[in-house]
Formats: sequence, structure tokens, C-alpha cells
Amino acid sequence: GAGVSQSPRYKVAKRGQDVALRCDPISGHVSLFWYQQALGQGPEFLTYFQNEAQLDKSGLPSDRFFAERPEGSVSTLKIQRTQQEDSAVYLCASQTGEGWNAQYFGPGTRLTVL
Amino acid sequence: AQSVTQLGSHVSVSEGALVLLRCNYSSSVPPYLFWYVQYPNQGLQLLLKYTSAATLVKGINGFEAEFKKSETSFHLTKPSAHMSDAAEYFCAVSESQTGANNLFFGTGTRLTVIP
Repeated sequence: GAGVSQSPRYKVAKRGQDVALRCDPISGHVSLFWYQQALGQGPEFLTYFQNEAQLDKSGLPSDRFFAERPEGSVSTLKIQRTQQEDSAVYLCASQTGEGWNAQYFGPGTRLTVL
Repeated sequence: AQSVTQLGSHVSVSEGALVLLRCNYSSSVPPYLFWYVQYPNQGLQLLLKYTSAATLVKGINGFEAEFKKSETSFHLTKPSAHMSDAAEYFCAVSESQTGANNLFFGTGTRLTVIP
């Protein structure tokens, strides 16, 4: 079946611009995660949703980062007033939410802030 | 708190040789452990997972890993490397008793396979 999809795959923004990154999880997956992967590093947790509820946003690096999942399926990660340090690959993952199952990752959105 | 240490940011092996990628973890509760592989410009693909069942876990593409509690290790092995195994490999840990299940990743090991 269809996996996790993310759009756009690549985004170039000028410093100070706002960006919105979209994630379409696997259909029926209850849990959705966002991670940030800096160049040469492992992914780092940003935030977690269970259905439409954002249960953990402890990883968001600043109040410029905002995520939502209003209908419990598609999620959007928004970054306001982008800075150069925001340049990274943003990964989305979804999980069934039943028992403990693996997270399935999308291809990521590579954000470059100039 | 959990953390993962992957020893060796780059590993090179000859085609047909043993692959050994090291991972040590730190967790205050019994962990769930994972290995993911990342090919260029692609997302992370699950290789295998340990969730407190058998300590020797077999995954896809001929990879396996052994959970050793006494050594706090979860090293990834494959008996014979193939050219297609060249990629970045990430070890990750999650606490088994929390609801969020967010993953903590190591910094990754880039595997190069020499023909």
C-alpha cells in the first residue's frame, strides 16, 4: 500500500520567510511524528500527535515552529521567520498506535534557508 | 533518559565480508531498539526491531542484531556484504513504557562496500 508521503521534497526559502511542510501518513495510522535531521546527524524528535491531539511538542526548537493535524490525518509543520539554522531535512513518520509497532518514515523535505 | 552511541561514523568493508555496525544504548527502563537504513535522498527504512521478545532479531536484507543487556549493546551484523548495502545506518531507542514512543537516534554510520 501507499507509504508516508511528504511535500514539497525540496524547499528553498529566504531568511525571514514562512514555510509550510506537509505530511500524508499511512491511512489509518493513529500516531504521527515529526523529526528534524541536520546534515550528518541522526533525526531528532520535534513533536508527536495521536489523532488530532498534539501530545508532545517538547522537541520544537522555538516558538517559530508550529505543527497541526486538525482532522487526525494530514499534518503540517510550519516554520515562521525562517533562519539559516533551520536548514535541515524534516522527516515525518506514522505508526498504527496499536501495541508497539515500528514507525514508518516519509522521504523527507529538505529545507534550505538562504 | 535514552541515548544511543554508534561507534564509527564510517565503516568500509569488502564485498562478501562481514558487516558489523556497533550500537550502544542508555535507557532507564527496558528499551525498544531499532535499526533503520537510509539510502541517499530517501527516508528511513526499518531493518529490524527488538521489543523484548527474542534477543537475536532477524531483519530484512539478511541483517540481524543481538540485544545484550549486560553490554547495553545492539550491534547490527550481516555475514556477507553486498554492494547494495552501501547506505547510512541508524540505531534508535525508545522507552517501552511511555505512550509517545518517540525515537532517539544515534548519529549514524555510513557503510561503504568495496568491490
